[in-house]
Formats: sequence, structure tokens, C-alpha cells
Amino acid sequence: GQQLNQSPQSMFIQEGEDVSMNCTSSSIFNTWLWYKQDPGEGPVLLIALYKAGELTSNGRLTAQFGITRKDSFLNISASIPSDVGIYFCAGQLSNQFYFGTGTSLTVIP
Amino acid sequence: NAGVTQTPKFQVLKTGQSMTLQCAQDMNHNSMYWYRQDPGMGLRLIYYSASEGTTDKGEVPNGYNVSRLNKREFSLRLESAAPSQTSVYFCASSEVVDTQYFGPGTRLTVL
Repeated sequence: GQQLNQSPQSMFIQEGEDVSMNCTSSSIFNTWLWYKQDPGEGPVLLIALYKAGELTSNGRLTAQFGITRKDSFLNISASIPSDVGIYFCAGQLSNQFYFGTGTSLTVIP
Repeated sequence: NAGVTQTPKFQVLKTGQSMTLQCAQDMNHNSMYWYRQDPGMGLRLIYYSASEGTTDKGEVPNGYNVSRLNKREFSLRLESAAPSQTSVYFCASSEVVDTQYFGPGTRLTVL
């Protein structure tokens, strides 16, 4: 299957700090997606990116679709305690979605 | 508007038993998916259905079967459960090949 390398695996940050995580692939994707998963819940879509080079924001979240279509990053500005969770990237190709292994975020008040 | 619903929430099986996981969506989406999530491995696609009446294998289909009963419902069946199928199973739906919306998951343990 497709390999998506997501980094970092985990992050421990102080409340108010900015966060950056990224995803790279050996394959080209048509769409990049970022999800957040809370314990015991299903992933929830945060941002969807449809075109190479696209930069999209959703509140304190900003994500970009890499020019090569093989990578994407997600930034969270001014983190707050409710940002805690696991963040997944996903790439879409031919009716299928491939997920990264996740970045676990802990925000220390 | 319930979105994507899954039943049951939890299940414990013995090796060799069979069961069906149910999924329904009320968003009129064409596509539905079944994933499994294991620690440290993200989500892996088991089967998907691009539209009513069609199903296709994903990355890890062995040991599973699916049925797209109608546009709303997509079930996943384990005919003879194995301990390697202990996992959290998520159903998702999307409109064509766009974004996906996930259900709350079924936590399955096979002893």
C-alpha cells in the first residue's frame, strides 16, 4: 500500500505555542486531508486541500498542499488545551484514502 | 442529523466466531468505507463502495466480506474471527472522492 510518513510522532508543547507537523509520501495524491481524533472517537475532518500549492486556513489551523503533490503540512497557532489529540494526514488517490500514522499532541497548560 | 452511525460499539468474540458490523449514513453520500485502526499504524482501508451496488478491496481485505445493502448501509462481516482481527473498526462515507466523515468506531476483541 501507499506509505505516508507523518512527523513528528508526538509533541509536548506549552499552551500558547505554535505547532507544526507534516506528511510526506512517495506517491502523488489528488487531495490531502487533515483529521483530528479524540480518544474513543472517530477522526474528524479539519482541513481539505485540493490543488498543489493551495494554502487553506480554518481558524487557528493552516494547511498547505505541497507543490510536488507528495507532501502537506499542518500548523496550529496559539495552541489551547482542547487541541490535545491525535492528528492524521490522509492522501486521496483513485477512490481510496491513505492515512499517516498520526501525531499525538499534548498541550501543557 | 446523525451522520455516520455504527453498531455495536464494543464486541468480544472467540476465535472462529462470526459477526457483522453495521454502518449507516444519512448524508446521502455515494461512497462508503471500512477501515481498521491498530496502534501505531494509522487507519488502513479494508473495503470500500464507490456507489450503491459496487464494492472493492482496499489495502487489507483478507478475512473480511462486505455488503452495500442500499445507499445508506454498508456492513462488514467477519466469517471466522482471528485474534489478528482485534482492532478498532471505523466506517466512513463521502460524496464521490472528496472528504470523508467517520463513525464513532467499533472496538472488537477476538480471544
